[in-house]
Amino acid sequence: ILNVEQSPQSLHVQEGDSTNFTCSFPSSNFYALHWYRWETAKSPEALFVMTLNGDEKKKGRISATLNTKEGYSYLYIKGSQPEDSATYLCAFFGNNFNKFYFGSGTKLNVKP
Amino acid sequence: EPEVTQTPSHQVTQMGQEVILRCVPISNHLYFYWYRQILGQKVEFLVSFYNNEISEKSEIFDDQFSVERPDGSNFTLKIRSTKLEDSAMYFCASSEGTSVWELFFGEGSRLTVL
Repeated sequence: ILNVEQSPQSLHVQEGDSTNFTCSFPSSNFYALHWYRWETAKSPEALFVMTLNGDEKKKGRISATLNTKEGYSYLYIKGSQPEDSATYLCAFFGNNFNKFYFGSGTKLNVKP
Repeated sequence: EPEVTQTPSHQVTQMGQEVILRCVPISNHLYFYWYRQILGQKVEFLVSFYNNEISEKSEIFDDQFSVERPDGSNFTLKIRSTKLEDSAMYFCASSEGTSVWELFFGEGSRLTVL
């Protein structure tokens, strides 16, 4: 069984706080890592697709880094806003597996 | 903006009944998927479909499950004889390619098996 772990499971922050969470995945046979943002009652939406060790991607206040050698990715949100409240999912795609393995997600709640 | 649409949004069925979940993927996408999430658990892969055939399926996707793309636009998941443990949110997704192409998800179909 391939394990993709995310931490923390949930996070409560105040508006304006910066925050980060982690996705851990197997360091061998890495091919791609995706981050998705999933608001309640909506469909998951892609944030980033990361493929290279050392990749850093940014979209507005959200950024992500990738370390394939040690098997982790960080997602950062700078100056959290209430509209950032959502579950953030990572999905790992390995060389030997023709499918994505999802983490259990980090549920972020940003209080105004 | 193009989107993946799924119907029904919620279906309640009796154990042993057949269920068909429908999806309309984004029109120029080539890869189609079904995922599911049992309450409180991870999103898990069921099946991927490319070029009118299954390209990969998980251990969950046994003989009770089948997929079809009957008319070039719809993509369906059929569960032949539902079990209680099939209760989950089922997500359809499509993409232009594999792995390095982002998945576009539908809003999900919640299946409740009584």
